Amino acid sequence: GAGVSQSPSNKVTEKGKDVELRCDPISGHTALYWYRQRLGQGLEFLIYFQGNSAPDKSGLPSDRFSAERTGESVSTLTIQRTQQEDSAVYLCASSLRGGDRSSYEQYFGPGTRLTVT
Amino acid sequence: KQEVTQIPAALSVPEGENLVLNCSFTDSAIYNLQWFRQDPGKGLTSLLLIQSSQREQTSGRLNASLDKSSGRSTLYIAASQPGDSATYLCAVRPGKAGTALIFGKGTTLSVSS
Repeated sequence: GAGVSQSPSNKVTEKGKDVELRCDPISGHTALYWYRQRLGQGLEFLIYFQGNSAPDKSGLPSDRFSAERTGESVSTLTIQRTQQEDSAVYLCASSLRGGDRSSYEQYFGPGTRLTVT
Repeated sequence: KQEVTQIPAALSVPEGENLVLNCSFTDSAIYNLQWFRQDPGKGLTSLLLIQSSQREQTSGRLNASLDKSSGRSTLYIAASQPGDSATYLCAVRPGKAGTALIFGKGTTLSVSS
């Protein structure tokens, strides 16, 4: 079946511009995660959606970052007034369920490589 | 705060060699541990997931072990091939508040023919 898809695959933007990144999770997966991978660093958690519950935004690095999810489908990550430090690969993952007691496997998309010039 | 460390950061081996990648974590209260493979410019591919109640998982030439009490996991790759060249990431799912995976920085493996 179809995996997690992300678009665009690459994005080059000028400092100060806003960008939107899109994630399509696996159909039926209620949990959706955004992570960031900066060059030479490990993956950092950004935000988590579980069904209709309030998202866990504890990983967002600043108020320039926001994300939305429509029901249990598509999610968009928006970065306003981009800075060079925002350059990274942004990865989306989904799992069958989430929650504190979940041990469900996370499946990752191919990522969006963002370059801020 | 949970921290995940992977050693070595990079490894080069000749084809056919058996090898072990190491992962350690500071808080033993985890729900599961996943090993991923990441190819340049690509996303993550899940290799093995070990639940906290399990001690090992096997898939083909890969075997992952988990010693939760000591905060360690190993990924064993048998009879390595050039196609195994990639970065291998270890991630834990914390057992307390929070649902996201916590990743190590990875081990970059190069297998020469």
